[in-house]
Amino acid sequence: KAGVTQTPRYLIKTRGQQVTLSCSPISGHRSVSWYQQTPGQGLQFLFEYFSETQRNKGNFPGRFSGRQFSNSRSEMNVSTLELGDSALYLCASSLRSGLAGANVLTFGAGSRLTVL
Amino acid sequence: GENVEQHPSTLSVQEGDSAVIKCTYSDSASNYFPWYKQELGKGPQLIIDIRSNVGEKKDQRIAVTLNKTAKHFSLHITETQPEDSAVYFCAALYSGGGADGLTFGKGTHLIIQP
Repeated sequence: KAGVTQTPRYLIKTRGQQVTLSCSPISGHRSVSWYQQTPGQGLQFLFEYFSETQRNKGNFPGRFSGRQFSNSRSEMNVSTLELGDSALYLCASSLRSGLAGANVLTFGAGSRLTVL
Repeated sequence: GENVEQHPSTLSVQEGDSAVIKCTYSDSASNYFPWYKQELGKGPQLIIDIRSNVGEKKDQRIAVTLNKTAKHFSLHITETQPEDSAVYFCAALYSGGGADGLTFGKGTHLIIQP
């Protein structure tokens, strides 16, 4: 069965612009989580959506937002881009919400964002 | 929130030898500890996980041990092969109703020398 699909895989933006990243979860998975990966900070949790509702949120500024659609596909948006937003953005899907406890995440290959 | 420390940051072993990666966590309420392997250009892939009611779990050449009292867990890879070369991440899930998702260690770059 198809895995987690993220688009676009690579993109370049300039400071002040905004960006939208897309994630299609594994069929039947209702939870989508987003993580930011950088060499300095490693993998950091952004937020989780389950059944179109944000269930969980990490410690990121309000410039980072997301949403989930009725087909479980999710998008995340970063507004007013800063140089420090350059990172690999990973999406992961799972059957249940992380709030339900131990939950196996399947990650996509990521969207690599470069901010100039 | 939870804090996960992972050591070493780089580990080089001869092919066929064993590799051990260690992690410690801070919150005793954490109850789920997965390990992920990330190859170049790919997302992390779950290789093994353990829940807090289990002390050890094994899957072929890979094993994970958990010491809840000391709050540390380790990944053991035996008979290492070239395809084991990758970055490995440990993680912990806090079950106290917080909103942190999985907390990851900073990663271990495992290099298998031929």
